[in-house]
Amino acid sequence: DGGITQSPKYLFRKEGQNVTLSCEQNLNHDAMYWYRQDPGQGLRLIYYSQIVNDFQKGDIAEGYSVSREKKESFPLTVTSAQKNPTAFYLCASSLGQVRSTGELFFGEGSRLTVL
Amino acid sequence: GQQLNQSPQSMFIQEGEDVSMNCTSSSIFNTWLWYKQDPGEGPVLLIALYKAGELTSNGRLTAQFGITRKDSFLNISASIPSDVGIYFCAGRASGTYKYIFGTGTRLKVLA
Repeated sequence: DGGITQSPKYLFRKEGQNVTLSCEQNLNHDAMYWYRQDPGQGLRLIYYSQIVNDFQKGDIAEGYSVSREKKESFPLTVTSAQKNPTAFYLCASSLGQVRSTGELFFGEGSRLTVL
Repeated sequence: GQQLNQSPQSMFIQEGEDVSMNCTSSSIFNTWLWYKQDPGEGPVLLIALYKAGELTSNGRLTAQFGITRKDSFLNISASIPSDVGIYFCAGRASGTYKYIFGTGTRLKVLA
């Protein structure tokens, strides 16, 4: 089935540790995104990538890092510099602007809890 | 970062009632998207809109792209218990890859 796969679904981290969240898509989409969602709130953009080997900071990039070495993959690292990392993280993808229908699709999410 | 104004924030309705919610923006968008999110899951795309004035349906759901291109509306007819969840709008302006999200409408349906 075509879609976006995020892993792990649940992750626990001790303070001071870096963790990496995986996002893989087989939709042949050019653009990929990471959002953060806190309880009772909307989605805030962390990073996005329009094309392989290129990415831009979103509204809340501090304490996070990404890479886009392959079209299918856009991993997110939550570093120890992120002061309040406990949240629900959502990966998304879209075709990309040039040939875009504008639709944005999401993975199932990863819940990170810092102990 | 910018977020869209979405209202109402939450609503309790009786099963069988119709529901309306809307989003407004200070910017002009060329794409409006509506999503439903269940607890602990990712948002699922319900309806996508691409033209000012466009009215699109998906089963009991109907959404409209506002004429000013700064707002959008979602209606749910004859609500059922499984409509419970959080509904988000999202908009995207021309020339950008960034989608801006609303703050969500939490819907609770009373049987």
